Amino acid sequence: DVKVTQSSRYLVKRTGEKVFLECVQDMDHENMFWYRQDPGLGLRLIYFSYDVKMKEKGDIPEGYSVSREKKERFSLILESASTNQTSMYLCASSLSGLLVDTQYFGPGTRLTVL
Amino acid sequence: GDSVTQMEGPVTLSEEACLTINCTYTATGYPSLFWYVQYPGEGLQLLLKATKADDKGSNKGFEATYRKETTSFHLEKGSVQVSDSAVYFCALRIYNQGGKLIFGQGTELSVKP
Repeated sequence: DVKVTQSSRYLVKRTGEKVFLECVQDMDHENMFWYRQDPGLGLRLIYFSYDVKMKEKGDIPEGYSVSREKKERFSLILESASTNQTSMYLCASSLSGLLVDTQYFGPGTRLTVL
Repeated sequence: GDSVTQMEGPVTLSEEACLTINCTYTATGYPSLFWYVQYPGEGLQLLLKATKADDKGSNKGFEATYRKETTSFHLEKGSVQVSDSAVYFCALRIYNQGGKLIFGQGTELSVKP
């Protein structure tokens, strides 16, 4: 089974802190994604990556950056956390080169910024 | 732009009732369509998918048919169980936009015994 793990289930940070959210997948997937999930808004794509050291902006990249130094790991960075970044963050991965490539999701990190 | 619209929740049903969650989409290309489910405290998992018009996806008693003429992909189940309580997300993927998914806002389903 594909496994996508996220470093923390719950995280509390203060405004202005630099925050790192880590995601690791164990199935050699090329594609990795970071979403945030907010009530009434569904999932919105922050950043994604098609390969090591590659990154593409999603729909809401402002205030975030990402790092992909190794194929299995995709990190989301909040350079200076703000209260409006309080949310559930979901990581996903998928194979590439397929017409319909299923995305596999991690359990999520619920981040609270005080 | 491309988008997905789902019926608003929460939806509350009694066990063994019929379920329909409406999903419509707008897409510039020819999308593949998905339903994902999120059980309490968990991440999303794929429930079913369809890649072309008139395809029917099915899994765990749930079904959805890709209707190009009405740009819809409604989720149905004939008899829901308490264990079906979850949030359901409709999503689309445009072939020439790589692996990106566009999600609807989610519909929370609560099934009472």
